[in-house]
Amino acid sequence: EDKVVQSPLSLVVHEGDTVTLNCSYEVTNFRSLLWYKQEKKAPTFLFMLTSSGIEKKSGRLSSILDKKELFSILNITATQTGDSAVYLCVSGAGSYQLTFGKGTKLSVIP
Amino acid sequence: EAGVAQSPRYKIIEKRQSVAFWCNPISGHATLYWYQQILGQGPKLLIQFQNNGVVDDSQLPKDRFSAERLKGVDSTLKIQPAKLEDSAVYLCASSLVGGARTDTQYFGPGTRLTVL
Repeated sequence: EDKVVQSPLSLVVHEGDTVTLNCSYEVTNFRSLLWYKQEKKAPTFLFMLTSSGIEKKSGRLSSILDKKELFSILNITATQTGDSAVYLCVSGAGSYQLTFGKGTKLSVIP
Repeated sequence: EAGVAQSPRYKIIEKRQSVAFWCNPISGHATLYWYQQILGQGPKLLIQFQNNGVVDDSQLPKDRFSAERLKGVDSTLKIQPAKLEDSAVYLCASSLVGGARTDTQYFGPGTRLTVL
């Protein structure tokens, strides 16, 4: 059975801190690894990673995939209170199969 | 570009009642998904359509849940009869078709269902 495991499950940091969220996966016919941000509404897309070692960046967020060790990390630098959310890691595999992790709840306090 | 539309946004019903949710995907997105997200958990796929055909409904509790996408555009998800454990947010998402593009899903705002 395909699975995606995220750690930590929750995290509390102060504004300005840098955080690293982890995602490991075990899927058959892996195709892609996606990160979503979910506030009090539907998930919004952050990154899709398909190749190892190529960092994707968007502002203060960045992510990288390691297909040999089967994990990905999401980094957020200089955190702001608006970064408080649940971050979902999702693996795409096979034919139209997506496996969601349980999410990491990030709380950024002023 | 308009996003994925869902209605209603909130619904409160009593157990054993029926409820239906509606979703209109992004124009041109052939693939449509319904997810159930229970508080504190990641979304769980209920059913996936490509155009008007079902790709995956292996986790849909078919004794009480049904979904259709008759014309390959908008979709309805129905629960009949509802149970207390059906209380959750029901998310609709859509994506393009074709390899990794299928993985990038765009989510609607969700319908929060409370079953009393």
